[in-house]
Amino acid sequence: QVQLVQSGAEVKKPGSSVRVSCKASGGTFSSYAVNWVRQAPGQGLEWMGRIIPIMGIPQYAQRFQGRVTITADTSTSTAYMDFSSLTSEDTALYYCARDGPLAGAAFDIWGQGTMITVSS
Amino acid sequence: SYVLTQPSSVSVAPGLTATITCGGNNFGSHSVHWYQQKPGQAPVLVVYDHRDRPSGIPERFSGSNSGNTAILTISRVEVGDEADYYCQVFDGSIDRYVVFGGGTKLTVL
Repeated sequence: QVQLVQSGAEVKKPGSSVRVSCKASGGTFSSYAVNWVRQAPGQGLEWMGRIIPIMGIPQYAQRFQGRVTITADTSTSTAYMDFSSLTSEDTALYYCARDGPLAGAAFDIWGQGTMITVSS
Repeated sequence: SYVLTQPSSVSVAPGLTATITCGGNNFGSHSVHWYQQKPGQAPVLVVYDHRDRPSGIPERFSGSNSGNTAILTISRVEVGDEADYYCQVFDGSIDRYVVFGGGTKLTVL
């Protein structure tokens, strides 16, 4: 059974950047998309972007274009989300999630989440 | 932009049926999925492609759609079903791809 394990929580200064990793273990990684979803405290889920590792071409939500970069390393089964120009409004829990073999690109496996706190 | 509209809260007594709606456009060309999120936990897929259940999800969870409304129905509600529920579609067009509804807090009275 595939598991997604994310990197640990971070505290960042406004204006800085952060990298969050998402490592897959126990199954197929390269063929299915890895998505990034964030959740601000007390708020709902917001999709940021995705990548199919074997293809290497990312897709981004329009509101994050230019600030987020999603990459994947098939040799280590790890996806990365780089997020720049951070503000306090980017304080949130960031999840990676696979849209795997189920119909309609449903997110069947989620990472545990990575808390990013942006504070001066 | 594409918007999915959910009620902010739904309340139901144990043993009864809960219905959570998700309003959108043109569901006929999109798959609708539903996620359950309990406090402090990552979301869990409970229904995908309108009405299918992943392995391990009880039959009490079912999905349907009527026109421009997708519906998650939870039969014989249990205290453990109390959670936030989100609908989601995958679009695939250039500026949308994935959209989540705002979420519905299910309270079991």
